[in-house]
Amino acid sequence: NAGVTQTPKFRVLKTGQSMTLLCAQDMNHEYMYWYRQDPGMGLRLIHYSVGEGTTAKGEVPDGYNVSRLKKQNFLLGLESAAPSQTSVYFCASSEMNTEAFFGQGTRLTVV
Amino acid sequence: GENVEQHPSTLSVQEGDSAVIKCTYSDSASNYFPWYKQELGKGPQLIIDIRSNVGEKKDQRIAVTLNKTAKHFSLHITETQPEDSAVYFCACGGGTSYDKVIFGPGTSLSVIP
Repeated sequence: NAGVTQTPKFRVLKTGQSMTLLCAQDMNHEYMYWYRQDPGMGLRLIHYSVGEGTTAKGEVPDGYNVSRLKKQNFLLGLESAAPSQTSVYFCASSEMNTEAFFGQGTRLTVV
Repeated sequence: GENVEQHPSTLSVQEGDSAVIKCTYSDSASNYFPWYKQELGKGPQLIIDIRSNVGEKKDQRIAVTLNKTAKHFSLHITETQPEDSAVYFCACGGGTSYDKVIFGPGTSLSVIP
């Protein structure tokens, strides 16, 4: 049982480059989330989705876009990476107000 | 939107002692309060949660208390062990932003053998 799988696990980008982070879950959850984790700031919600075809902004959405074309997948895009987007990114899935299952994280460095 | 504060940011205890982490929240409509543990290099994992219709919940050495009037809740770990060393996050959900969970900034707990 894979749970929540994130790819890639590590990535180094140059400023201005674009990339997509993929999150896949096999628990048939309706809700999926993207968080970023920075030292001393906890987990901040970037975007989330309450079902296939839906997306919504979280606390820190600027500079990111998301898509949920299939229920099991939630993609996070960076169109023009900036050094301020250097962070560890976590995807999670859940049903509403129940346990969230997290992936292992993606460590992104923008130079 | 919801604002979650968490204290202390770091905590060191001797093995066998108790540890207490406190969180406050701003949205009085919040009704779901989970706690997550994050070990180094891993994603957070749920350790216990409580809903607003309950004042206290226990699971072996871990307990959570909720005071809805004061809008704060606490995590209590008794008889701490070195493997309890991790970062702990409180979170809130189910309020006016009913479809998302907002996390506190985290507490780094060190249990000294």
